[in-house]
Amino acid sequence: GESVGLHLPTLSVQEGDNSIINCAYSNSASDYFIWYKQESGKGPQFIIDIRSNMDKRQGQRVTVLLNKTVKHLSLQIAATQPGDSAVYFCAENMGTASKLTFGTGTRLQVTL
Amino acid sequence: NAGVTQTPKFRVLKTGQSMTLLCAQDMNHEYMYWYRQDPGMGLRLIHYSVGEGTTAKGEVPDGYNVSRLKKQNFLLGLESAAPSQTSVYFCASSWTRIGAGELFFGEGSRLTVL
Repeated sequence: GESVGLHLPTLSVQEGDNSIINCAYSNSASDYFIWYKQESGKGPQFIIDIRSNMDKRQGQRVTVLLNKTVKHLSLQIAATQPGDSAVYFCAENMGTASKLTFGTGTRLQVTL
Repeated sequence: NAGVTQTPKFRVLKTGQSMTLLCAQDMNHEYMYWYRQDPGMGLRLIHYSVGEGTTAKGEVPDGYNVSRLKKQNFLLGLESAAPSQTSVYFCASSWTRIGAGELFFGEGSRLTVL
């Protein structure tokens, strides 16, 4: 599969533990944020999104937290499973612009 | 329902050659995008289209051209390939603008320029 990054930061987590992946975004005017998961050899897949008028949003086993004061986004994965092993990207969007700005990604490795 | 399909999946070119990457979506989406993904740099937007017959430049458009003659297809062309264009290219589509609709990605096209 495609190599999404030779020098990506890597988070190693034991199966069953919770994972927290962090992202610092760049534009204080961004008002919409998305987390994507990319498995080896595949395209990015939507996980969860959040708008700037919220500071927390929950999905199935995932929670996104937004701290606009320090321009920080985090993705929490509960009870991490081997199938969660992938590269995770945050992305930001500013208003009506048809453009997503992606972070460089974090590799999540789940150990048994 | 195939979603977003990219062809070819792999291609090796020599410097100066031309080629076209094809993206096809069967979801009747209005918006389509071409991104490139390089190690350590995330995905960067090359060009995008907000509807049939329209195209617009993204973050890194130089050296690429696009066309959206049919709603379901978005073509990315390299007129004279350069080694700096070695990358993995992803096409994406959405039914409406970012923030109001989910972006669906294809599985990528790996291009190597020698």
